[in-house]
Amino acid sequence: DVKVTQSSRYLVKRTGEKVFLECVQDMDHENMFWYRQDPGLGLRLIYFSYDVKMKEKGDIPEGYSVSREKKERFSLILESASTNQTSMYLCASSFDWTGGYRETQYFGPGTRLLVL
Amino acid sequence: AQKITQTQPGMFVQEKEAVTLDCTYDTSDQSYGLFWYKQPSSGEMIFLIYQGSYDEQNATEGRYSLNFQKARKSANLVISASQLGDSAMYFCAMREGRVQGAQKLVFGQGTRLTINP
Repeated sequence: DVKVTQSSRYLVKRTGEKVFLECVQDMDHENMFWYRQDPGLGLRLIYFSYDVKMKEKGDIPEGYSVSREKKERFSLILESASTNQTSMYLCASSFDWTGGYRETQYFGPGTRLLVL
Repeated sequence: AQKITQTQPGMFVQEKEAVTLDCTYDTSDQSYGLFWYKQPSSGEMIFLIYQGSYDEQNATEGRYSLNFQKARKSANLVISASQLGDSAMYFCAMREGRVQGAQKLVFGQGTRLTINP
């Protein structure tokens, strides 16, 4: 089974703190993704990576950065946390898409971040 | 503009009944894919079913089927014989493009399904 793990299930931070969210996958997937989930808005893509050291902005990258130094690990960084970044953060990974559904994204359990 | 619309914020269904969760989408691409995911209270998103735009048959996976109406741009999820364990959030998503081999997905707002005993 594909396993995507996230470093914390719950996290409480103060405004202005630097926050690291870690994601690790064990299926040798090329692609990794970070989403945030808010009620009524569904999931929104923050950043994704299609290879080591490669990153692409998603729909809402402002206030976030990412790092992918190893294929299995993708980190989301909040340089200076703000209260409007209180949310559920979901990491996902996938094989390269070659057509069809096999390359669906596999998700981790999520991290609920509260910024006070 | 919203690309995926799920108009039912919440649904309540009796156990063993069939349930349809609505999803409409907007795209000008000829080639696209539609996904449904389930999110239990544990938080993890679970892939349920996929429909490609060129697939002639509606997708089915066990108790899940996808009612794909291309002209109406709808991709409704049908769950037959609902079970208590089906209570969860359900998200419809569409592949809106890709960068290298990475598919970009856009998600709807979600529908919270509650199955009553």
